Amino acid sequence: ETGVTQSPTHLIKTRGQQVTLRCSSQSGHNTVSWYQQALGQGPQFIFQYYREEENGRGNFPPRFSGLQFPNYSSELNVNALELDDSALYLCASSGQGPNTGELFFGEGSRLTVL
Amino acid sequence: DQQVKQNSPSLSVQEGRISILNCDYTNSMFDYFLWYKKYPAEGPTFLISISSIKDKNEDGRFTVFLNKSAKHLSLHIVPSQPGDSAVYFCAARRGTYKYIFGTGTRLKVLA
Repeated sequence: ETGVTQSPTHLIKTRGQQVTLRCSSQSGHNTVSWYQQALGQGPQFIFQYYREEENGRGNFPPRFSGLQFPNYSSELNVNALELDDSALYLCASSGQGPNTGELFFGEGSRLTVL
Repeated sequence: DQQVKQNSPSLSVQEGRISILNCDYTNSMFDYFLWYKKYPAEGPTFLISISSIKDKNEDGRFTVFLNKSAKHLSLHIVPSQPGDSAVYFCAARRGTYKYIFGTGTRLKVLA
């Protein structure tokens, strides 16, 4: 069983640039969520994708956007990067249907905006 | 608007003793609560969960207690081991997609 994988693990961008982060969900999982974890904070929900559609969104501006592909992998795109976007971006996958509500997280992509 | 709060940023416990991590929440609509453990340079890993219709769930050394009237959740680790040293996050779920995490408690188990 393959776990959640994310790429890249680290990257540095400058203010105003755009970034794309990628995530492969755990085998058999059709739902992917993205979280932002700033230093000293807990993960904050950005949005969730289910069957290639956005299924819910947290309090993030429209310059945070995403995609889910037919194989359930996903991308997070952030445009017009700001210094405060520096954070660990976590992807989590889950199956649908009755379960414990467990999210399976990847190791994250650490973004630094200079 | 911090709906899930972990008021203790850190906790130190002697090996073999009990570790108690606490979490408070404000939204009575949460239907599921979870605890995650996070090591440096790794993503959070699921530890244990509890439905809002229960007040206790046990899994080996880990027990989660839910006090709905106090809107309080706690994780007990007995006995604590040095490998338990990590940051612990509590999370609450409302509906099927939105999980709200606390800010974490760093547990250090001293050998």
